[in-house]
Amino acid sequence: EVQLLESGGGLVQPGGSLRLSCAASGFTFRSYSMNWVRQAPGKGLEWVSAISGSGASTYYADSVKGRFTISRDNSKNTLYLQMNSLRAEDTAVYYCARSYSSSVDDALDIWGQGTMVTVSS
Amino acid sequence: DIVMTQSPDSLAVSLGERATINCKSSQSVLYSSNNKNYLGWYQQKPGQPPKLLIYWASTRESGVPDRFSGSGSGTDFTLTISSLQAEDVAVYYCQQYYTTPITFGPGTKVDIK
Repeated sequence: EVQLLESGGGLVQPGGSLRLSCAASGFTFRSYSMNWVRQAPGKGLEWVSAISGSGASTYYADSVKGRFTISRDNSKNTLYLQMNSLRAEDTAVYYCARSYSSSVDDALDIWGQGTMVTVSS
Repeated sequence: DIVMTQSPDSLAVSLGERATINCKSSQSVLYSSNNKNYLGWYQQKPGQPPKLLIYWASTRESGVPDRFSGSGSGTDFTLTISSLQAEDVAVYYCQQYYTTPITFGPGTKVDIK
């Protein structure tokens, strides 16, 4: 079964850091681009970042550029999101999502259940 | 950035009736070299992650009931639920993946009248 499982969320103070992980199973992980998408409480979906299958290319929303870093370990079938200098407005459920193909420019066909990040003092 | 807008914000439809959601992009998401519209539709039920319904504007994802259909090209798109079922109550989002940043519409909430 194709599956994505996020972990690493929690409560962090403003200015703090957190690293999210997304464990993939049931498919050839390195063949797909991967994404992080977030959803603030009661709000819509916001794409955060994407990474190519090899990890060579990364992309970010302006709202997180310079603060967040996406990476992947294809030997461990795991996607990461390092989040630094966290702000209250980063509070959201963070979803890991697979691109339909190796291209970043593709629909998101598989989603994890999400992990909650709360930034508050 | 490509801005996605949706209308209406919400709608209530009787069981078995048609529901229509519109989506507009601030610039064309039609890639001329392959004639594909880089447009997807997602369904999100409360407490669940989004689910891909439609990609390339009109291709139904595997396992999605055929009462869901997508149409449109360029900048104007429509998601149609031909005969609303109780399990279709959800928020529906359109998304462009023509270019990064990938952007989503604000969502349309569908309820039963």
